[in-house]
Amino acid sequence: GAGVSQSPRYKVTKRGQDVALRCDPISGHVSLYWYRQALGQGPEFLTYFNYEAQQDKSGLPNDRFSAERPEGSISTLTIQRTEQRDSAMYRCASSLGQSGPQHFGDGTRLSIL
Amino acid sequence: SQQGEEDPQALSIQEGENATMNCSYKTSINNLQWYRQNSGRGLVHLILIRSNEREKHSGRLRVTLDTSKKSSSLLITASRAADTASYFCATVETGSARQLTFGSGTQLTVLP
Repeated sequence: GAGVSQSPRYKVTKRGQDVALRCDPISGHVSLYWYRQALGQGPEFLTYFNYEAQQDKSGLPNDRFSAERPEGSISTLTIQRTEQRDSAMYRCASSLGQSGPQHFGDGTRLSIL
Repeated sequence: SQQGEEDPQALSIQEGENATMNCSYKTSINNLQWYRQNSGRGLVHLILIRSNEREKHSGRLRVTLDTSKKSSSLLITASRAADTASYFCATVETGSARQLTFGSGTQLTVLP
């Protein structure tokens, strides 16, 4: 597509539920990144894929968070047993190569009640 | 964690004036990038400067990089109301997996 697409745009769920956030990168982009952004702050790195391989997951806060990119294109970030502190904007970005500029989607606003 | 600080946190200027934002970072970097974020939207890449470059221009944007001081500046000339946004610097640290480490941003308001 023309840009990075994330869905849903908004997700409201009760504490304890699992959520899955989807990212569809720009066609042909090799690298895909997940970030989390709190209000008034810059995004913080969560995890990164090169093709289908998860290269770095050092930013994932704990083992309730996981991500996959099974065919090297669309990626899913899953949060299990959600907690209120997981509420944030979750952003996905893709880049053509590993060192180039990253193109961001509009994000998924996650609210945990 | 945040890589560094942007200065100022907020800046308000009149249309037509120049806006300068500064960014400091902590580690050795591969490159530094500037992004713009309009309210509620995604981040838009503005410009990338590599660690062996000192200055770069793109339209009304001028970026400088001083690796000895671990700092960068973004100058927007002849500002427009449409430039109103948050501006973030982000670094790719040497030896990292290419993820961006962002600063906390500068909120720029350009008054018509």
